[in-house]
Amino acid sequence: EAQVTQNPRYLITVTGKKLTVTCSQNMNHEYMSWYRQDPGLGLRQIYYSMNVEVTDKGDVPEGYKVSRKEKRNFPLILESPSPNQTSLYFCASRTGDYSYEQYFGPGTRLTVT
Amino acid sequence: QKEVEQNSGPLSVPEGAIASLNCTYSDRGSQSFFWYRQYSGKSPELIMFIYSNGDKEDGRFTAQLNKASQYVSLLIRDSQPSDSATYLCAVNPPPGRKAAGNKLTFGGGTRVLVKP
Repeated sequence: EAQVTQNPRYLITVTGKKLTVTCSQNMNHEYMSWYRQDPGLGLRQIYYSMNVEVTDKGDVPEGYKVSRKEKRNFPLILESPSPNQTSLYFCASRTGDYSYEQYFGPGTRLTVT
Repeated sequence: QKEVEQNSGPLSVPEGAIASLNCTYSDRGSQSFFWYRQYSGKSPELIMFIYSNGDKEDGRFTAQLNKASQYVSLLIRDSQPSDSATYLCAVNPPPGRKAAGNKLTFGGGTRVLVKP
């Protein structure tokens, strides 16, 4: 089954404790993205990747890191989480440029206390 | 001004009626437009895309695009309780922009409630 998986689905952590949210897709997609979703603000892109070792900032990259060492994986790293990073996070992937269908993962609800 | 704007709702419609959702965008050169549906606690799923002026129909859904006025709308005919969800409008920036193909800008979403 074609899918994007994320782990963990729920995470409660404390300020400053490094964490990683994993994202994996089994569709051989080139493009992957991370979004955060907050009430009233909609989905905002954090980082995206156009292929292995090619990443770039989205609209709200501060406080996040990503890497793309393998085509299928695109982890999101919070080196020192803060309460304002409490949010719902989605990973997404799609095929090449101007592909219309973006596949979203199930989401990770992160709470930073 | 937000790049993509939607009325947050909720838009309450009786079962069987037409739900009409609107979305405006600020970048006049935008060429690709998408409607996603998101159920509470779930991830967005693509239901329609449109890139030419006019109407595009898919089952009970019709997307309408007017580039001159910079708005895109979604009509849901014969609304069902299962259509109750938040509908997200998303826009691609114009071609030629850096990584234009990968960047989707989303509106805040319109919550739709279909009452039996």
